[in-house]
Amino acid sequence: QKEVEQNSGPLSVPEGAIASLNCTYSDRGSQSFFWYRQYSGKSPELIMFIYSNGDKEDGRFTAQLNKASQYVSLLIRDSQPSDSATYLCAVKDNDMRFGAGTRLTVKP
Amino acid sequence: NAGVTQTPKFRILKIGQSMTLQCTQDMNHNYMYWYRQDPGMGLKLIYYSVGAGITDKGEVPNGYNVSRSTTEDFPLRLELAAPSQTSVYFCASLHGELFFGEGSRLTVL
Repeated sequence: QKEVEQNSGPLSVPEGAIASLNCTYSDRGSQSFFWYRQYSGKSPELIMFIYSNGDKEDGRFTAQLNKASQYVSLLIRDSQPSDSATYLCAVKDNDMRFGAGTRLTVKP
Repeated sequence: NAGVTQTPKFRILKIGQSMTLQCTQDMNHNYMYWYRQDPGMGLKLIYYSVGAGITDKGEVPNGYNVSRSTTEDFPLRLELAAPSQTSVYFCASLHGELFFGEGSRLTVL
């Protein structure tokens, strides 16, 4: 059974701080990893994807992948109240499986 | 492009009734997925399809059926609805990233 695990949270950070979200996966053969953001009552929206070991940066967001440790993370720098949402980690083979999500609150 | 369209957006069913959630995409994507999301939880994969005529079970397929007769359509069938199937259902297609529909909120009473 393929598993995707996220730190359950909730996570609360002050405005301007760095938020760190973590995810582990069980299938060592997985190749594609995604972070989605979901606001309450809305569909998930893509933040970033990462395929290769190392870091990938996009604006205030950095995804980190370590395939040897089966670990993927998302860092949000200079967190803003508008970043308050649930963050979902997803791992793709032929199927696409999600973790349970981490609820992030950024306090002004 | 309309993207991924789900219908209905809301539905209340009685226990034991059946219904079909419709999902259509106009992007010619081969991969399509059905998820359910219970309150405060992540998305659980119900069924997926890698192309017309091909479907496969996900994490929580019991109580559901799907078909994929065309690239565009991927309906999800609920037989003998149970209160445990009360959830929000998302359909998505994949091309590099997932493209989600707006969701269908189903309540079984």
